[in-house]
Amino acid sequence: ETGVTQSPTHLIKTRGQQVTLRCSSQSGHNTVSWYQQALGQGPQFIFQYYREEENGRGNFPPRFSGLQFPNYSSELNVNALELDDSALYLCASSRASGASYEQYFGPGTRLTVT
Amino acid sequence: AQSVTQPDIHITVSEGASLELRCNYSYGATPYLFWYVQSPGQGLQLLLKYFSGDTLVQGIKGFEAEFKRSQSSFNLRKPSVHWSDAAEYFCAVGDRGSTLGRLYFGRGTQLTVWP
Repeated sequence: ETGVTQSPTHLIKTRGQQVTLRCSSQSGHNTVSWYQQALGQGPQFIFQYYREEENGRGNFPPRFSGLQFPNYSSELNVNALELDDSALYLCASSRASGASYEQYFGPGTRLTVT
Repeated sequence: AQSVTQPDIHITVSEGASLELRCNYSYGATPYLFWYVQSPGQGLQLLLKYFSGDTLVQGIKGFEAEFKRSQSSFNLRKPSVHWSDAAEYFCAVGDRGSTLGRLYFGRGTQLTVWP
């Protein structure tokens, strides 16, 4: 069984640019959640996707957007990057929608905004 | 709103010593409760979870946690720490009344193990 994978591992962007992060779900999982983990903090929920639609959102502005594809992989897009967007971005997949707390996390993408 | 407090930012223990990491939560009812571990360069790995039933739950790697409703706590314990346990530990809660599998995390406790 393949685990959750994320790409790229690291990237550096300039303020104002746009970035796309990718996540491949664990086999058999149809729900993907994205979290932002700033340095020294716990992860913060960004949003969740189920069956290619946004299923819920945390306290993040609209410039954070996402997609989920028919194979349940997902993208996180961030427009107009700000310095405070520098963080580790984690995705987590789970088997079902609803209160599915059996979430499996990927290793994350470390984004640095300069 | 739910909140999770991990009062200890950094804990240092000697290998072989016992360990207790504290977690308190604020929630209107009993939430789902979790402990995750994060090693450098790694994602989060689930150590254990509490949904209902026995308030003492066993997890992987010899960890256990006890849910105490009266104290709104879910402390993580291990009787004898190994050097490989050095990592960051996160307590998290899930909203029992929500259909969204959203987790609320504490800010984490960094564990250092002395040989």
